[in-house]
Amino acid sequence: GENVEQHPSTLSVQEGDSAVIKCTYSDSASNYFPWYKQELGKRPQLIIDIRSNVGEKKDQRIAVTLNKTAKHFSLHITETQPEDSAVYFCAASKNFGNEKLTFGTGTRLTIIP
Amino acid sequence: EAQVTQNPRYLITVTGKKLTVTCSQNMNHEYMSWYRQDPGLGLRQIYYSMNVEVTDKGDVPEGYKVSRKEKRNFPLILESPSPNQTSLYFCASSLRDRVTEQYFGPGTRLTVT
Repeated sequence: GENVEQHPSTLSVQEGDSAVIKCTYSDSASNYFPWYKQELGKRPQLIIDIRSNVGEKKDQRIAVTLNKTAKHFSLHITETQPEDSAVYFCAASKNFGNEKLTFGTGTRLTIIP
Repeated sequence: EAQVTQNPRYLITVTGKKLTVTCSQNMNHEYMSWYRQDPGLGLRQIYYSMNVEVTDKGDVPEGYKVSRKEKRNFPLILESPSPNQTSLYFCASSLRDRVTEQYFGPGTRLTVT
């Protein structure tokens, strides 16, 4: 089955700096990669996703990049703000989202004021 | 309001005492799933259901049962809970062809002593 590895497990950045979280996947058939954000004590919520036919996708301060050859994808947050502090999970799915999600182990991001 | 609800939100129980955690969604979603979240292990899928009367094992199904008799409900059953099932449990739902866009419930924190 699919295996998704996520790094780092914890990340602290100064407010205003950029943060990057990286994931690798094992199944070359995976083609849909969402990212979820979980604030303290809250439920995970989808923040952005990318399909394998796209190399990069942006939404305001958040961007995701995908390297199919290397089987890795990354989340980039620019101009970080205190409300970006949360646990972020990457995930992978096959059949453009029609099959089960496999999640990474999560990254706890702390923004230092 | 579109939502996924879980009950109870918190539960402390003893080894061997059967329990059920309920999950209900009002979005007419075909897909429903149960996850457990443990520190350092991320979100691991227990069981999922693509539609009524259709259920499949996820990555960690041992010690759990599910049923899907109605589209809106997907209860998680622990027939004989053990301390290693102490965890935070999330139910999630989505449209069948948009499994990557899952809506999560608020979570159930279970402690088995």
